[in-house]
Amino acid sequence: SVLTQPPSASGAPGQEVTIPCSGRAPDIGSNSVNWYQQLPGKAPRLLIFGDYRRPSGVPDRFSGSKSGSSASLAISGLQSDDEAEYFCAIWTAGLSGWVFGGGTKLTVL
Amino acid sequence: EVQLVESGGGLVRPGESLRLSCAASGFDFSLYSMNWVRQAPGKGLEWISYITNSRKTIYYADSVRGRFTTSRDNAENTLYLRLASLKADDTAVYFCARNSYSGLQRAYFMDVWGKGTTVTVAS
Repeated sequence: SVLTQPPSASGAPGQEVTIPCSGRAPDIGSNSVNWYQQLPGKAPRLLIFGDYRRPSGVPDRFSGSKSGSSASLAISGLQSDDEAEYFCAIWTAGLSGWVFGGGTKLTVL
Repeated sequence: EVQLVESGGGLVRPGESLRLSCAASGFDFSLYSMNWVRQAPGKGLEWISYITNSRKTIYYADSVRGRFTTSRDNAENTLYLRLASLKADDTAVYFCARNSYSGLQRAYFMDVWGKGTTVTVAS
């Protein structure tokens, strides 16, 4: 896959967890990264766009960053409601389409 | 309220066809490009198609190119996906999603999603 994510991550309530998304430098470096949260049985929800920007309504506990060929989603102050699958995504002109990472299932212990 | 509602899913046999619809409301549909994204049972998200607001440009993922056709009717605020020559691997929940652009941040993103419609391909 163009974008690689670990299949799982976990953290205790109140802690911070970071989910990485790695790819080739030309892909991630040249395109803005978006992050989506998908709660069980629900549609995806835009969490971060343009590498680190939050849409209105998304708590500031969620933050995005990017450096070189990798991007990260950080979630601080973990809550049980954060248990979900998280996907990174980029638009690639080379493939003329959106590409998603494989997804990371977050467990709040 | 900005909303997308998919319909048209169901159980079909391999080789058959189906047409999905995505009804948009609460925003000017004619101004936005749109996408179809699917999710097979227990799997991740897979983008499958993109169409510009004017219909001039349509892209497909390799996995569906030649079998699926995306179209839209801006007068009816509706996006369509025709699925043909269906295979078991096409079994998935199909989502439509609005494509947005922030000029300030120079970023594209899918910001509004429907709840999805389920397509099951089985004999």
